[in-house]
Amino acid sequence: DAGVTQSPTHLIKTRGQQVTLRCSPKSGHDTVSWYQQALGQGPQFIFQYYEEEERQRGNFPDRFSGHQFPNYSSELNVNALLLGDSALYLCASSSDGTGGYYEQYFGPGTRLTVT
Amino acid sequence: AQKVTQAQTEISVVEKEDVTLDCVYETRDTTYYLFWYKQPPSGELVFLIRRNSFDEQNEISGRYSWNFQKSTSSFNFTITASQVVDSAVYFCALSEDAGGTSYGKLTFGQGTILTVHP
Repeated sequence: DAGVTQSPTHLIKTRGQQVTLRCSPKSGHDTVSWYQQALGQGPQFIFQYYEEEERQRGNFPDRFSGHQFPNYSSELNVNALLLGDSALYLCASSSDGTGGYYEQYFGPGTRLTVT
Repeated sequence: AQKVTQAQTEISVVEKEDVTLDCVYETRDTTYYLFWYKQPPSGELVFLIRRNSFDEQNEISGRYSWNFQKSTSSFNFTITASQVVDSAVYFCALSEDAGGTSYGKLTFGQGTILTVHP
């Protein structure tokens, strides 16, 4: 049973460019969340996708957008990259849990470096 | 708003010592979930434990134990007889129920870097 997978593993981009990161959820999961983890910090929630719609969003600018496909995989897009966007981007998948609990399974992350 | 504080930035111990990682949380919700995750150098977050707000029973699992106290809003994690392989960043996290609308969104602390020396 494959866990959460993310691609690419590492990415180097230049300021002002655009980037797309990809995530495939764990088998049986229908919800994908994205987190940004800056160096030395805890992960910060970006947004969550369910049924191909953005269900909730953290405190991130509109430069951060996403998409979820019918097979539940997801993309995170970041436009007009800034140096401060350099971080580890983590994808987590989940599904409706008993009693309202949603257990998150994390992927290995994509390390984005903006130069 | 919810908040998680891990006051210890870095802890360094010698192998076989016991070590406790502190976590204090803030939430207005009466139903919430607390977690500890481990992040080794590879970067992937490894789930260690989850506790519900209505279950204050503390637990021991092998060398790991957890102390959840609602009265002080703390959820501390202890490793007994630490090993070099325990070296990692440890994160405490909170997920509010928010009347069923949080959908598992996690709020993390800043993390504690644990280094276990041989």
